[in-house]
Amino acid sequence: SQQGEEDPQALSIQEGENATMNCSYKTSINNLQWYRQNSGRGLVHLILIRSNEREKHSGRLRVTLDTSKKSSSLLITASRAADTASYFCATDKAGYSTLTFGKGTMLLVSP
Amino acid sequence: NAGVTQTPKFQVLKTGQSMTLQCAQDMNHNSMYWYRQDPGMGLRLIYYSASEGTTDKGEVPNGYNVSRLNKREFSLRLESAAPSQTSVYFCASTLAPGSYGYTFGSGTRLTVV
Repeated sequence: SQQGEEDPQALSIQEGENATMNCSYKTSINNLQWYRQNSGRGLVHLILIRSNEREKHSGRLRVTLDTSKKSSSLLITASRAADTASYFCATDKAGYSTLTFGKGTMLLVSP
Repeated sequence: NAGVTQTPKFQVLKTGQSMTLQCAQDMNHNSMYWYRQDPGMGLRLIYYSASEGTTDKGEVPNGYNVSRLNKREFSLRLESAAPSQTSVYFCASTLAPGSYGYTFGSGTRLTVV
C-alpha cells in the first residue's frame, strides 16, 4: 500500500517559474524524503526532513512538513529545463527501517 | 565512482526461467533494498536487509528470494519467472535508515515473455 501520495500527478511549467509538488501520507513518520528520477535512470536523493522539522532548504529546493496535516510540499524555485523529471516523496514510518514511496509527480519544464 | 552497481542492465527471460539480479555497493552501507517499479504503481519494496546477516520481506515478496552475501552484496533471485514480474528493478542502500537517504542503482529492466 502506498504511504505517500503526490499531487499533482503531472505539472507543466515554463523555465524560470516555480514548481510546487505536494505529498500526503497516512501514518506517523520519522522522516520524509524527496527523490528525483530522470527518465530511465535510478532515483536520486534530494532532501530529508525529520518529523520535528518544519522547513528545510537545499539550493533551489524548499521542503515543508506539516505533521498535523500529514503533508509535505517540495518547491523548486526558478525552474530549469534540466529539472524535468519525476519527483517522489518517501516516508520512513516510525518503527520501520524501510521507505515507502508515492507514485510521483512528473514535472516538465519547457524552455 | 562510489555507488550502487546493478547487473545486468537489461534481461529478457522466458516464462519459467530463473535468474539472479546482482547488486553491490562500495559505500560501507549497512542496509540494502530491492524495489520494483511499474508504470502507475510507483516503487514497491520486494525485500530488504537491514544489516548484514538479516533479510526481511517487503510489500511484494512472492516469487522472489534474496541473499545478503556480505556487507557489500545483496542479490535478488527469480526462481520461476512469470510475465507479472516484467518490471524495472532497483537496488538501493543506506548507511542508516531513518537518518540518511538511499542511494539507488541504475536499475535492471526485466521482460518476461
